[in-house]
Amino acid sequence: AQSVSQHNHHVILSEAASLELGCNYSYGGTVNLFWYVQYPGQHLQLLLKYFSGDPLVKGIKGFEAEFIKSKFSFNLRKPSVQWSDTAEYFCAVRNQAGTALIFGKGTTLSVSS
Amino acid sequence: GAGVSQSPSNKVTEKGKDVELRCDPISGHTALYWYRQSLGQGLEFLIYFQGNSAPDKSGLPSDRFSAERTGGSVSTLTIQRTQQEDSAVYLCASSVRQGVYNEQFFGPGTRLTVL
Repeated sequence: AQSVSQHNHHVILSEAASLELGCNYSYGGTVNLFWYVQYPGQHLQLLLKYFSGDPLVKGIKGFEAEFIKSKFSFNLRKPSVQWSDTAEYFCAVRNQAGTALIFGKGTTLSVSS
Repeated sequence: GAGVSQSPSNKVTEKGKDVELRCDPISGHTALYWYRQSLGQGLEFLIYFQGNSAPDKSGLPSDRFSAERTGGSVSTLTIQRTQQEDSAVYLCASSVRQGVYNEQFFGPGTRLTVL
């Protein structure tokens, strides 16, 4: 069965620090990958997505992610975090049937000012 | 425009009671999804509706769970004989249609607490 692993449960950073959140998926075929963010008290919203083409994907708010097929990874990065980036981040892969997303357990990011 | 709405926002019930959770997708979205977010477990897919096609129910955890979508719009998730392990946030999402390129837009969720 497809699965997504997010290795960091809780990450604590100071403002201006660089961020990298790990995400690994299990499926070896064609994959569609996503990062969603949930700010405190808000809905889940899409940060970025990868379907094909350039493996380096840029999203909103300065986030980017790199798809590395050989490593089954889709890590999220940001060069310099802000206090407002404090949120929970979810990596997801579309299931083989194309009917749903399979999510990781999420990473809580806390940024201190 | 209006996003996905869900009601109620919070529901507290006693073990053994039935509950109904409602989802209003974005107007014009033909695909609708239900997920469950349990503490420390991320989001689990429950069920998917696309137009008039048969739903994908592969994520429903037991036969106590069911869902319907009336008129291709509003959906209701029903949990019968609730158990404490059903306590979670139930999220609904919709997309323009099924397909690789269609972003899922999520609602605010219904927090269910089973006492």
